Amino acid sequence: EVQLVESGGGLVKPGGSLRLSCAASGFTFSSYSMNWVRQAPGKGLEWVSSISSSSSYIYYADSVKGRFTISRDNAKNSLYLQMNSLRAEDTAVYYCARDRDSSSSGWFDPWGQGTLVTVSS
Amino acid sequence: DIQMTQSPSTLSASVGDRVTITCRASQSISSWLAWYQQKPGKAPKLLIYKASSLESGVPSRFSGSGSGTEFTLTISSLQPDDFATYYCQQYNSYSLTFGGGTKVEIK
Repeated sequence: EVQLVESGGGLVKPGGSLRLSCAASGFTFSSYSMNWVRQAPGKGLEWVSSISSSSSYIYYADSVKGRFTISRDNAKNSLYLQMNSLRAEDTAVYYCARDRDSSSSGWFDPWGQGTLVTVSS
Repeated sequence: DIQMTQSPSTLSASVGDRVTITCRASQSISSWLAWYQQKPGKAPKLLIYKASSLESGVPSRFSGSGSGTEFTLTISSLQPDDFATYYCQQYNSYSLTFGGGTKVEIK
């Protein structure tokens, strides 16, 4: 069964840092582009960042560029999101999502269950 | 960035109704559009990709159409399990963007 499990969320003060992890199983992780998508409480979905299978291509939303860093460890079947200089508006559930196809499709399936990040003093 | 505008934002319908949701892109995205369904407290689920391709396991009452800047998601006969929020997403270019969502409520 294909599975994505996020961890690392929690409460952090403005200006602080947090590192999210996503553990993948049930598929050949190294063959797929991976993504982070977030959802603020009661709001819609916002794409955050994408990384290609070999980490050759990395993209960020303007809202997080320069503050967040996406990375992956194919040997550990894991995806990461290092979040620095956190702001109140970064408060959201963060989802890890796989590209549906190994050809870097740009649409996402499956998704993890999400991890909540709360930025508050 | 390409902006995606969904309408309506909320839709009230009854079981058995035909439901149509529209998504408009601020510039042409060819057929690079996906539709997702999200239920409260759950992760989104892929329904449609490449504007009109039905994801495996998704009921055939769901269909997608359109190209360029205007797209629609149609549910031919609304079922109780379909009450949820629906999002479109473009993948023509990075930055990827989602529409604001359409909540389908029970009438």
